[in-house]
Amino acid sequence: KAGVTQTPRYLIKTRGQQVTLSCSPISGHRSVSWYQQTPGQGLQFLFEYFSETQRNKGNFPGRFSGRQFSNSRSEMNVSTLELGDSALYLCASSLLASVSEAFFGQGTRLTVV
Amino acid sequence: EDKVVQSPLSLVVHEGDTVTLNCSYEVTNFRSLLWYKQEKKAPTFLFMLTSSGIEKKSGRLSSILDKKELFSILNITATQTGDSAIYLCAVYNNQGGKLIFGQGTELSVKP
Repeated sequence: KAGVTQTPRYLIKTRGQQVTLSCSPISGHRSVSWYQQTPGQGLQFLFEYFSETQRNKGNFPGRFSGRQFSNSRSEMNVSTLELGDSALYLCASSLLASVSEAFFGQGTRLTVV
Repeated sequence: EDKVVQSPLSLVVHEGDTVTLNCSYEVTNFRSLLWYKQEKKAPTFLFMLTSSGIEKKSGRLSSILDKKELFSILNITATQTGDSAIYLCAVYNNQGGKLIFGQGTELSVKP
């Protein structure tokens, strides 16, 4: 069965722009969580969506937002990009909300110049 | 504040060696502890531990959780070059509904 699919794999944006990343969870999984990974901070939780509702949110500014569609696919948006937003953005798929067994996608490498 | 600390941060061994990776945590509303292997990009799920003292095994890898002392270890026996990766420990905070990750241990296995 197909794994978690994230698109695009790589992205280069300039400061001030906005970006949208996409994540398709494993078929049948209804929860999607987003994480940011940087060399300095490691993996940090952004937010979790289940049944099109944001259930939990990490300590990130309001420039980071997301949504989930009825087919469980999720998108993450970052507005007014800053250099510090350069990171690997990982999406994790779980069968249900608040289920800790999560499976990760390959990630989107975002570079802000 | 919740935290997960892994040690060592990096490790170089030779093929055939046995390694032990450590993970200690201070997390409120603990639900489970997970180990992942990250080679290029996607962390690959290895184990989820919820009960103290019960060892989980998969081939040459095994892991155990001590909920009283708040730590877990991941053992890899007879290491191979393909075991070279970053090993991530994460604890699920049930109240926050999120995985809290450690910094990772970078394992390098030399032929």
